[in-house]
Amino acid sequence: EVQLVESGGGVIHPGGSLRLSCVGSGFIFSNTAMNWVRQAPGKGLEWISSVSSSGGITYFADSVKGRFTISRDNSANTLYLQMTTLRAEDTGLYYCAKAMGAVAGWHPFDMWGQGTRVTVSS
Amino acid sequence: DVQLTQSPSSLSASVGDRVTITCQASQEINKYLNWYQQRPGKAPQLLIYDAANLQKGVPSRFSGSGYGSKFTFTINSLQPEDIATYYCQQYEILPLTFGGGTKVEIK
Repeated sequence: EVQLVESGGGVIHPGGSLRLSCVGSGFIFSNTAMNWVRQAPGKGLEWISSVSSSGGITYFADSVKGRFTISRDNSANTLYLQMTTLRAEDTGLYYCAKAMGAVAGWHPFDMWGQGTRVTVSS
Repeated sequence: DVQLTQSPSSLSASVGDRVTITCQASQEINKYLNWYQQRPGKAPQLLIYDAANLQKGVPSRFSGSGYGSKFTFTINSLQPEDIATYYCQQYEILPLTFGGGTKVEIK
């Protein structure tokens, strides 16, 4: 069974940093591009980042570019999102999502984790 | 950025009704349009990819059509478990973007 499990969320002050993790199982993680999508409370979905299967190609939404870094450890089947200089508007539920192929930003998202909640508040 | 405009933003229909949602893209995106279902309190789930392809395991009452900039998502014979918000998403042009969502309720 394909499964994605996120962790690392929490309450953080503005300007702080947080690292989210997503462990994948039930599929060949190293052959699959991965993504992060967030959802602010009561709002819609916002794509924030994609990484290719090898980790060599990454893309970011303008709203997080320069503040967030996406990476992966294929030996541990784990995807990461390093978030710095956090703002109140970064508050939300962060989902990792598996792509249907290996190329970053070029496939539908065919499996999503349950999300990890990030709250940025003073 | 490609803006995706979904309509309506919400709808109420009876069990067994046919429900149609449209997604209008601000630029041509060929066939690269997906539809996701998000049930209350749950993660999104892919229903339709590349405008018209039914994802494995998804009931056949769901369907999609369209090309270019206008797309349609249909639920034939609405069921109680279809209560959810539905999102379109394009992946032709970065940044990837989602529509604002359509909340479907049972009358």
